[in-house]
Amino acid sequence: AQTVTQSQPEMSVQEAETVTLSCTYDTSESDYYLFWYKQPPSRQMILVIRQEAYKQQNATENRFSVNFQKAAKSFSLKISDSQLGDAAMYFCAYRSYSGGGADGLTFGKGTHLIIQP
Amino acid sequence: GAVVSQHPSWVICKSGTSVKIECRSLDFQATTMFWYRQFPKQSLMLMATSNEGSKATYEQGVEKDKFLINHASLTLSTLTVTSAHPEDSSFYICSARDSSITNEKLFFGSGTQLSVL
Repeated sequence: AQTVTQSQPEMSVQEAETVTLSCTYDTSESDYYLFWYKQPPSRQMILVIRQEAYKQQNATENRFSVNFQKAAKSFSLKISDSQLGDAAMYFCAYRSYSGGGADGLTFGKGTHLIIQP
Repeated sequence: GAVVSQHPSWVICKSGTSVKIECRSLDFQATTMFWYRQFPKQSLMLMATSNEGSKATYEQGVEKDKFLINHASLTLSTLTVTSAHPEDSSFYICSARDSSITNEKLFFGSGTQLSVL
C-alpha cells in the first residue's frame, strides 16, 4: 500500500514571501500521479497542481510549482509571492496509474499554511 | 469546469436513524465515484469506490453494511449511513472521475457534515 507523509503540521510565511511545503511518499509502482490540494475553511477541495510520475519536468501553475524527485520519492510544493488567500490546509496526495482510473487518492495528513500580513 | 454537486451540505440526525447523501456529476458522466471521510483536523480517508452498475469496493475497516453505496446511473452515487451513531459524525466528501477524459481528472463535491445526536 502507498503512504504519503507530510512532516510539517503547520507553516507560517509573510505575505509576498515564498514558502515550501514538504511531501514524501512510499510506493513500489513506477507510474502514478501526485497532487497538491488546497482545503480552505469552506472545506471544498481545490486542485492546486498535479504531476505525472513519468514526466521529468516539474509542473507549474502560476505561483505554484513543485520539486518532484522521483528517486527520492519527494514532492514538495513551492508557493511564490504568498497571498492572504493562500491560507488553507494543503494536502499532498497519491494516485496509482495502473488502476485505469479506478483508484482513489491517498492523502497525507496535511499542512496548515498561515499567511502573516 | 466540471461540477460535482453533493447534497445535503449538512445534516443532523438522531442516533439509530439512517441518512442518505447524494453525489451528482452535473455536466459529465462518471463511471467511478469515490467516497471519503474526514474527521476534524484530520486528513481525508478513502472509504469506498463506487462503480456504476456494480457493487462498491470498500476499503479495509469500512463496514459495508453500515455505509451502503449505490451507483445506479452515470451521474449519481449515494451513500447511506445506516443506524447512525455519534461516532459516525464526520465530514463526508465525494469525488467523481470524468469518464471522457484522461483518468487523472477528479472533481470533488462540497462535502456533507453529518452530526449524529
